[in-house]
Amino acid sequence: DAMVIQNPRYQVTQFGKPVTLSCSQTLNHNVMYWYQQKSSQAPKLLFHYYDKDFNNEADTPDNFQSRRPNTSFCFLDIRSPGLGDAAMYLCATSRDSRVVSNQPQHFGDGTRLSIL
Amino acid sequence: AQSVTQLDSQVPVFEEAPVELRCNYSSSVSVYLFWYVQYPNQGLQLLLKYLSGSTLVKSINGFEAEFNKSQTSFHLRKPSVHISDTAEYFCAVSDKTSYDKVIFGPGTSLSVIP
Repeated sequence: DAMVIQNPRYQVTQFGKPVTLSCSQTLNHNVMYWYQQKSSQAPKLLFHYYDKDFNNEADTPDNFQSRRPNTSFCFLDIRSPGLGDAAMYLCATSRDSRVVSNQPQHFGDGTRLSIL
Repeated sequence: AQSVTQLDSQVPVFEEAPVELRCNYSSSVSVYLFWYVQYPNQGLQLLLKYLSGSTLVKSINGFEAEFNKSQTSFHLRKPSVHISDTAEYFCAVSDKTSYDKVIFGPGTSLSVIP
């Protein structure tokens, strides 16, 4: 089945130690998103890509970076994780709504990040 | 700017009882509306959406939602809930100028009691 896969499902890192979360998709969607979701809160958009065109949200901390080497893969890098960065990180994909209006987003199961 | 309000953070309901999860939005432009469901330790899944046309939209598992423009609401209903409906439900909005960006509400935790 075509899907969005996030690895690992659970990630533990140390305070200040860089960490990378990965996302892959078999849907061939050109839009990919990264969300941060803290406990009992709504997902918060960090950034998204139209193909390789990167779009950062204004309030996304500089500590968060992203790479998209090709259509299928997207990475979230946290350069110096703090305790406040402990959260579920969700990757999502969609077709480009600028081409065909309003495409739904397809989510992976998330990576739960813990900071020691 | 758009925003979404879900007034009920937690809704407990007995199995086979009806349920309504409330959603109100604010926007100065025409919007698309969505309900997403999130089961424990999983990502979000699209439950149903309103884009245009009939104001009543239905999902395959018995949920329905009605777009009410005058009340700026998109409440989600189900006439008879099952244990398997226990999950977090997020209402979301996007407008026709922001293309793929979606604003999520804070979520409502539905707990179905046997």
